[in-house]
Amino acid sequence: RKEVEQDPGPFNVPEGATVAFNCTYSNSASQSFFWYRQDCRKEPKLLMSVYSSGNEDGRFTAQLNRASQYISLLIRDSKLSDSATYLCGVYGGATNKLIFGTGTLLAVQP
Amino acid sequence: DAGVIQSPRHEVTEMGQEVTLRCKPISGHDYLFWYRQTMMRGLELLIYFNNNVPIDDSGMPEDRFSAKMPNASFSTLKIQPSEPRDSAVYFCASSLVVGGHPNIQYFGAGTRLSVL
Repeated sequence: RKEVEQDPGPFNVPEGATVAFNCTYSNSASQSFFWYRQDCRKEPKLLMSVYSSGNEDGRFTAQLNRASQYISLLIRDSKLSDSATYLCGVYGGATNKLIFGTGTLLAVQP
Repeated sequence: DAGVIQSPRHEVTEMGQEVTLRCKPISGHDYLFWYRQTMMRGLELLIYFNNNVPIDDSGMPEDRFSAKMPNASFSTLKIQPSEPRDSAVYFCASSLVVGGHPNIQYFGAGTRLSVL
């Protein structure tokens, strides 16, 4: 089993839709969690950190479920500009490695 | 502020040649990471440094790959000899320590390597 797993998609949604992605992780000792956004042929860029109590940034909401070992990203009122690949990153246990999922491709359609 | 700077942006070489990728981390960052990204395997951590010291190189695919960080502002990833299966995008990232652990990683624009 991979340490961090994501549904690769693609998720094709119309503008204005709400879409959610999950990311599961295998190391129960993981402490830090992130969502990155990667545009085509660009580098990953931090979208948001994920806090234990959940956090929101505008149209984006991130949540952590430690019991089931997954994090989620909810995007409300999708825009065309949200089209990208969304990578989850998990710092594993005692190591200082940030392990990434393979990413979920989102395509927002006009 | 300048972000993580990588060079070259693109590299095309022939099988068997030596390839050197370069990275300048964000000033003041304690950690530096090298990743490789392919469609098949996603973003893979190759090696990371803390205060210029290699900490974990378990992701380096084989002895043909080596990495150095001679000072806090420069790192190299070398492939010798290169093979077509090394074709990928190589990213460098750096991070500050927060609470004793590296925190948010900032990525360079990457080097797109094609080995013919």
